[in-house]
Amino acid sequence: DIQMTQSPSSLSASVGDRVTITCQASQDISNYLNWYQQKPGKAPKLLIYDASNLETGVPSRFSGSGSGTDFTFTISSLQPEDIATYYCQQYDDLPPTFGQGTKVEIK
Amino acid sequence: QVQLVQSGAEVKKPGASVKVSCKASGYTFTDYYIHWVRQAPGQGLEWMGWINPNSGGTNYAQKFQGRVTMTRDTSISTAYMELSRLRSDDTAVYYCARDLGYSISRGGFDYWGQGTLVTVSS
Repeated sequence: DIQMTQSPSSLSASVGDRVTITCQASQDISNYLNWYQQKPGKAPKLLIYDASNLETGVPSRFSGSGSGTDFTFTISSLQPEDIATYYCQQYDDLPPTFGQGTKVEIK
Repeated sequence: QVQLVQSGAEVKKPGASVKVSCKASGYTFTDYYIHWVRQAPGQGLEWMGWINPNSGGTNYAQKFQGRVTMTRDTSISTAYMELSRLRSDDTAVYYCARDLGYSISRGGFDYWGQGTLVTVSS
């Protein structure tokens, strides 16, 4: 299975800050990477697909980049409603695998 | 609008089986694969497998081979996931999720059910 390593595992930032999360795959996955947001007690929500494409209806402060083994997810200006855990997920090969998650909190 | 509505919480004893349903609406059920993903308390996300609602074909994660069965009933646009020989470490929230690919499995998930908590306890 392809291992996905996210960092950091948690972070605390102020409203308006730029937040960056990285995700590293154990092998080349091209751009077959998605990012999800999960709020407590809720199902995950797709934010970014194919590494850099914004899902319909998702605010433009969210963005993604990268290819191969190294990927980045960015919130350009953190908002209170962005408090959640974020997961990367590869789908280059079965089984689809997720990173361990990054919990984002407000400072 | 696309919706996936799952069945309610379950409490099972070790060794028993559980069957979770996922009713789809707002789109043509047979056009998109359905995946099942679970999340143990306080833990991350784990993919269990998919079903092609059109053909009934399935693909299961190796970890669950022999214990999981995914089926569907196209007449009521509903997918099912049955997990047998339950253990305490199967306690988790089980989600169904629609594949974002049309008529293929792209392995990403654009719509999710609300989740079904399955508790395994003696």
